[in-house]
Amino acid sequence: QSVLTQPPSVSAAPGQKVTISCSGSGSNIGTYFVSWYQQLPGTAPKLLIYDDNKRASGIPDRFSGSKSGTSGTLGISGLQTGDEADYYCATWDSSLSAGVFGGGTKLTVL
Amino acid sequence: QLQLQESGPGLLKPSETLSLTCTFSGDSFSNSDYWWGWIRQPPGKGLEWIGSMYYSGRIYSSPSLQSRLTISLDTSKNQFSLKLSSVTAADTARYYCAGGLRLGEFSSWGQGTLVTVSS
Repeated sequence: QSVLTQPPSVSAAPGQKVTISCSGSGSNIGTYFVSWYQQLPGTAPKLLIYDDNKRASGIPDRFSGSKSGTSGTLGISGLQTGDEADYYCATWDSSLSAGVFGGGTKLTVL
Repeated sequence: QLQLQESGPGLLKPSETLSLTCTFSGDSFSNSDYWWGWIRQPPGKGLEWIGSMYYSGRIYSSPSLQSRLTISLDTSKNQFSLKLSSVTAADTARYYCAGGLRLGEFSSWGQGTLVTVSS
C-alpha cells in the first residue's frame, strides 16, 4: 500500500489530454515538492516534473504539473503513442523521514 | 549531465548480503550539490525508495529496510554503495541508483541492475 495514491491506469486517444492524480497527506505532498517520473517499457524512470510544476531539461511543454493542498496532478496534452508508459509521483514524507513514491499509473494511448 | 552506473552480483542465495556500487560521472557537477539515492523495483511492480545520502554524511533509510541496510558514499572515487543483509526472495528487484539536487527527487538515474535472490 503506497503512501501516495495514484489511479492504476488511465487511457485516452491520440491528440487528447489526460491527467494523473497523486493524493497524499499533510506530512508529504502538503509540505514538500512533488516530482513526476515517466518509465517507458524496459527502461529506467526519467524525471519529467520537479518542484510541483517545473519541467525537467528537454521535457516538452505538453507535460505539466500542478499541486493543490495534498494532491498533485500531472497533465499530458497532445497525447502520442510514444507517451504510453508508467508514470510515478514522488515526494518526501516527514512522518516517515523517507522518500515515497506513488503506486504508478499506466497510461494507454488508444 | 550526470551519468550513473550500477554494478554488483545478479544472483544471491537467501541470507546472503547484497552489495551494490553506483559509479557516477559527468561534466560540471559537484559532489557537494547532490543527494544520492537507491530505488528498487520488483518485477512487474512499482518503485520503492530505499535510502538517500548527502555528501555531508547525512543518511535517510527506508523504515522497513533500515535494520538490514548500510549506505555509504566515497566522493574521492565518485561511488555510492548499498549493502542489504539477510536477503530473501522479497528482495528480488531491479535496483537503481539516482542523483538529484533535492532530497527525495531524482534527476538522473542509472540503467538499473537486476538482483535475483534464489536458492
